[in-house]
Amino acid sequence: EIVLTQSPATLSLSPGERATLSCRASQSVGSYFAWFQQKPGQAPRLLIYDASNRATGIPARFSGSGSGTDFTLTISSLEPEDFAVYYCQQRSNWPRTFGQGTKVEIK
Amino acid sequence: QVQLVQSGPEVKKPGASVKVSCKASGYTFSTYDISWVRQAPGQGLEWMGWISPYKGNTNYAQKFQGRVTMTTDTSTSTAYMELRSLTSDDTAVYYCAGGTNFDYWGQGTLVTVSS
Repeated sequence: EIVLTQSPATLSLSPGERATLSCRASQSVGSYFAWFQQKPGQAPRLLIYDASNRATGIPARFSGSGSGTDFTLTISSLEPEDFAVYYCQQRSNWPRTFGQGTKVEIK
Repeated sequence: QVQLVQSGPEVKKPGASVKVSCKASGYTFSTYDISWVRQAPGQGLEWMGWISPYKGNTNYAQKFQGRVTMTTDTSTSTAYMELRSLTSDDTAVYYCAGGTNFDYWGQGTLVTVSS
């Protein structure tokens, strides 16, 4: 099984700041990689698919990059609604796996 | 618009089974694969398995092999996930997600296992 390791576990930032979240895979997943956002009490929401493609309706301040084993989600300027938990996920191999999550909290 | 609406919360005793439904609307049901993901209280996301409504193919996480069954009913555009031999460790919110990229999610179904 492919293990996804996210860092940091928690990111404390202020609105307007840039957020950089990382995810490393235990083996190459090509570009079969996604990022999700989850707010308390809500289902996850797809942000980025195939490593760098924004899902429908996702603001341009969210961007994804990387391929192979190292991936990054960047939020260029944090809005109040962006404070949430973010998960990475791979669909290269079975079983599909998720990272453990990065919480972006208000500093 | 695409919607996945799940069945309501369940309370089960250890050893029992639960069957969660996920009704799709707003698209042709066979178009999107359905995955099931669960989230224990305060924990991360755990992939349970996948089903193709078009062919009926399934793929289950090894952890759940022999204990889970995923099915679809194309006549009602509904996917089902049945989990048997429940223990307290199965207490979680269970989500269905549609699409190759987990594009669309149901609202989640809380399953509580308690004696």
